[in-house]
Amino acid sequence: QSALTQPASVSGSPGQSITISCTGTSSDVGGYNSVSWYQQHPGKAPKLMIFDVSYRPSGVSDRFSGSKSGNTASLTISGLQAADEADYYCIAFTSSITYVFGTGTKVTVL
Amino acid sequence: QFQLQESGPGLVKPSETLSLTCAVSGDSMTRDDYHWAWIRQPPGEGLEWIANIHYTGATYYNPSLKSRLTISMDPSRNQFSLNVRSVTTADTAIYYCARWKGASIDFWGQGTLVTVSS
Repeated sequence: QSALTQPASVSGSPGQSITISCTGTSSDVGGYNSVSWYQQHPGKAPKLMIFDVSYRPSGVSDRFSGSKSGNTASLTISGLQAADEADYYCIAFTSSITYVFGTGTKVTVL
Repeated sequence: QFQLQESGPGLVKPSETLSLTCAVSGDSMTRDDYHWAWIRQPPGEGLEWIANIHYTGATYYNPSLKSRLTISMDPSRNQFSLNVRSVTTADTAIYYCARWKGASIDFWGQGTLVTVSS
């Protein structure tokens, strides 16, 4: 199975909004509402930010939102803050009853 | 308070078997909506899903690694384990154990670095 495609890097200024895409196929991203997003700061374990495409776990800021169109899922961070600078990964359930991660996106706050 | 704690050898020689264990505390391993998982991350690289297991015994493996993997669990000892056979330097990574709830990972261990080197 091939990794889902994410942009290597995305940047924005404080207060701006950015969107990270996660592109797969109809056998993974497009086939199920089972996409989740994770934030990872250097040297730390990942943290769940969005599950089931667009749901936020308790405690995650409402500045983070998720959506999906066709075979592409997206994570939007609004009101960008310095603390949002991190790596972000998507993961999707597949028709083979497996999971596949995205390639990861480094978010830089300018 | 729920916790996951990985333990492993730190250093493994090429061609040997890597064995990892994850100790679970603070919740039941036999809840129907939980799966237990291993994920790895080579230094400076991205995340790779390795395998999941459910308390019923159902197992799910990354197809690219499946021939070398065995995931198992022992709810009576509150732990689950991963064996990776015939390791190479490409298996050098931080290995995370995790709790899968529904279709997402809601809790991660802190990770343990495993280096494959002679």
